Amino acid sequence: SQKIEQNSEALNIQEGKTATLTCNYTNYSPAYLQWYRQDPGRGPVFLLLIRENEKEKRKERLKVTFDTTLKQSLFHITASQPADSATYLCALPTGGFKTIFGAGTRLFVKA
Amino acid sequence: DAGVTQSPTHLIKTRGQQVTLRCSPKSGHDTVSWYQQALGQGPQFIFQYYEEEERQRGNFPDRFSGHQFPNYSSELNVNALLLGDSALYLCASSLESVGYGSGTEAFFGQGTRLTVV
Repeated sequence: SQKIEQNSEALNIQEGKTATLTCNYTNYSPAYLQWYRQDPGRGPVFLLLIRENEKEKRKERLKVTFDTTLKQSLFHITASQPADSATYLCALPTGGFKTIFGAGTRLFVKA
Repeated sequence: DAGVTQSPTHLIKTRGQQVTLRCSPKSGHDTVSWYQQALGQGPQFIFQYYEEEERQRGNFPDRFSGHQFPNYSSELNVNALLLGDSALYLCASSLESVGYGSGTEAFFGQGTRLTVV
């Protein structure tokens, strides 16, 4: 069955540094991959979508890469700020209309 | 635009009881998906409704059922509640796009925190 793996350990970085989060998947070749942000007690908020024919996508301080050979996506936040502290989820369509999510990586940005 | 709204925000039920959760999609959205999110886990797909029909279902038992109304709002019903059903239930709405693979952004509600005791 399809599986998504994200860093289970929390990521702690200093303000101003670049945070890099990893999403690996198996047994699937998705047409696209999405990244969401989730704050405690809230629903996920869509950030970026990258398609299988795109290597890289940027939005303000966010950058996503998608390597379909490695079955991996990297999510970067440059010039990180304490307000970026949250859980970041990657999500894939798995055929039909179903989307699966990773467990998420918790990011803490220290001032 | 109020976005996706869910009710209630919190709920406590006893094992064996039944519960109904409600969702109003973002204005203009016609597709509603429901997810269950246990603590420390990612959202797990329960099912998706479009044109008042369940068109795909995840690995959840028949105790989980739903409905979509003509105004696109939706309900999630869970019968014979188990302790393991305690979780955050999320509703996500989207606009039906041109076929699979187009990548539709989903807008999530704040969720309903269900506790089964």
